[in-house]
Amino acid sequence: EAQVTQNPRYLITVTGKKLTVTCSQNMNHEYMSWYRQDPGLGLRQIYYSMNVEVTDKGDVPEGYKVSRKEKRNFPLILESPSPNQTSLYFCASSLAGGGSYNEQFFGPGTRLTVL
Amino acid sequence: TQLLEQSPQFLSIQEGENLTVYCNSSSVFSSLQWYRQEPGEGPVLLVTVVTGGEVKKLKRLTFQFGDARKDSSLHITAAQPGDTGLYLCAGACHDAGGTSYGKLTFGQGTILTVHP
Repeated sequence: EAQVTQNPRYLITVTGKKLTVTCSQNMNHEYMSWYRQDPGLGLRQIYYSMNVEVTDKGDVPEGYKVSRKEKRNFPLILESPSPNQTSLYFCASSLAGGGSYNEQFFGPGTRLTVL
Repeated sequence: TQLLEQSPQFLSIQEGENLTVYCNSSSVFSSLQWYRQEPGEGPVLLVTVVTGGEVKKLKRLTFQFGDARKDSSLHITAAQPGDTGLYLCAGACHDAGGTSYGKLTFGQGTILTVHP
């Protein structure tokens, strides 16, 4: 089954404790992206990657890191989480090539709470 | 930063009514996508409109892209309780061949509740 998977689905942590949210896709998509979703603000793009070893900042990159060492994986790293990073996080993937129009497939989401 | 303003933010209607959701921007987008999201799940793509003035229909849902490619609308005819969910518009920029430039801008979303 074609899908995007995220782990963990739920996470409660404390301020300053480094964490990683994993994202994996099995559709051989070049493009991957991370979003956070907050009430009244919709989805805001954190980072995206057009292909392996190529990453770019989205609209809200502060406090986050990403890496793209393999095509299928795109982990999101919070080196020192803070309470304002409490949010619902989504990973998405897409073909990047012509005709794809960046139509994205989303993972199920990771609900993160930072105390 | 490109912005997409979506309205209304909340919509509560009775089964059988019609409704329209709007998505507006001061920026031009290469294409506009509409997604639907249910609680506990990620957004799922409904449609992509690419050409200015384009109209696409998906059963009782009609999507339109503005002539200037700065705005879009979603019209639902005879809404059903199964239409309940969060509707999101998203603007993308890509080249003439449809290859993405990477950034995707979402509107704030419209929470639709259709009462039986």
